[in-house]
Amino acid sequence: DQQVKQNSPSLSVQEGRISILNCDYTNSMFDYFLWYKKYPAEGPTFLISISSIKDKNEDGRFTVFLNKSAKHLSLHIVPSQPGDSAVYFCAALGGKAAGNKLTFGGGTRVLVKP
Amino acid sequence: DAGITQSPRHKVTETGTPVTLRCHQTENHRYMYWYRQDPGHGLRLIHYSYGVKDTDKGEVSDGYSVSRSKTEDFLLTLESATSSQTSVYFCAISEGPSYGYTFGSGTRLTVV
Repeated sequence: DQQVKQNSPSLSVQEGRISILNCDYTNSMFDYFLWYKKYPAEGPTFLISISSIKDKNEDGRFTVFLNKSAKHLSLHIVPSQPGDSAVYFCAALGGKAAGNKLTFGGGTRVLVKP
Repeated sequence: DAGITQSPRHKVTETGTPVTLRCHQTENHRYMYWYRQDPGHGLRLIHYSYGVKDTDKGEVSDGYSVSRSKTEDFLLTLESATSSQTSVYFCAISEGPSYGYTFGSGTRLTVV
């Protein structure tokens, strides 16, 4: 029973265009939501996060939107660059009572074409 | 990445043999985690630790055990490796809520 789901396993986008990655979750008790980026043969690296009390967080080309009523979040990358080609994982943080555990989605592989 | 090191980076082992993977941190973070990454499953939590000698199970803990005798080291042991444990294993550290995790570079384990 996956609590965090990324329904699109892959995404292809032209350089300069917007990339939109989606993530759905089922547990309304999650405190934070995070996005990680992963290149081959490397560990995931933190990209951006959002608290459950907010609906938007922006950091440069990356913006995360949270819709709590729909239990849905999305990551927007604009403009997309070839170096953004990677696997992106959505993750939800359970908080101290849940051992600060991160639950991950299955990932979305993004390919940005020059 | 600086501050967290996994060893070995690659290992091939035979079915039925014990295997221990090591995670070492220099950040003095309280929380440490072991995840495995498999196609289509993302990263799944195996075990985690919230202090020295304090550990708990994750969602895929069967066949794995852990130990943390020092703040800086978190060991993952496969008591008797099986082919289903062929995977990439990631260790992560965290200061606490909202800080997210810092991941190691991973250990690619192949059980033949």
